[in-house]
Amino acid sequence: NAGVTQTPKFQVLKTGQSMTLQCAQDMNHNSMYWYRQDPGMGLRLIYYSASEGTTDKGEVPNGYNVSRLNKREFSLRLESAAPSQTSVYFCASSEAPGLAGDREQYFGPGTRLTVT
Amino acid sequence: GESVGLHLPTLSVQEGDNSIINCAYSNSASDYFIWYKQESGKGPQFIIDIRSNMDKRQGQRVTVLLNKTVKHLSLQIAATQPGDSAVYFCAESTDYKLSFGAGTTVTVRA
Repeated sequence: NAGVTQTPKFQVLKTGQSMTLQCAQDMNHNSMYWYRQDPGMGLRLIYYSASEGTTDKGEVPNGYNVSRLNKREFSLRLESAAPSQTSVYFCASSEAPGLAGDREQYFGPGTRLTVT
Repeated sequence: GESVGLHLPTLSVQEGDNSIINCAYSNSASDYFIWYKQESGKGPQFIIDIRSNMDKRQGQRVTVLLNKTVKHLSLQIAATQPGDSAVYFCAESTDYKLSFGAGTTVTVRA
């Protein structure tokens, strides 16, 4: 099993450009998450999807959109990138709420995004 | 809002010694806590978790202690090794979402 995979690993954007970060998991998990990590800080939740077909805002959703394409894939889109969105982005997945192990999240390797 | 935090941003440990990483939380409704290890350039990796109905849980070389009275969580690593050098995060949860602290950077001295 590959676990949680993310593409691309690195990306540089100019202010105003758009891009989509891809995430896929092969653990048959129902829930998926997007976080950002800034220097010296913990992870902050951007959006999450408790199950296929549902998405909800997290702590810092402004400037982002998400799509739960199917059970395996959850993408994060920046419509008009800003320097404040320079960060490392992590995708994670877990079992469905209420199931054993629903609190333990498995993380991907991250996408390092720089917006100039 | 309430958040999870760590007492110290850095910890330097001699190889072979035991490490203790502390974490304070403020949400008394949290019923689940988890520790992650993050090595440079990688995603967080699960270490150990504990539910609020327990006060201690042991894994391989790691022990998590939970003191609900003072809202304190700690991670103990026995016989610290060079491979333990990383950033350690605690997180709390009241549902299936996690709220992370800022992390403690552990450096192991040879």
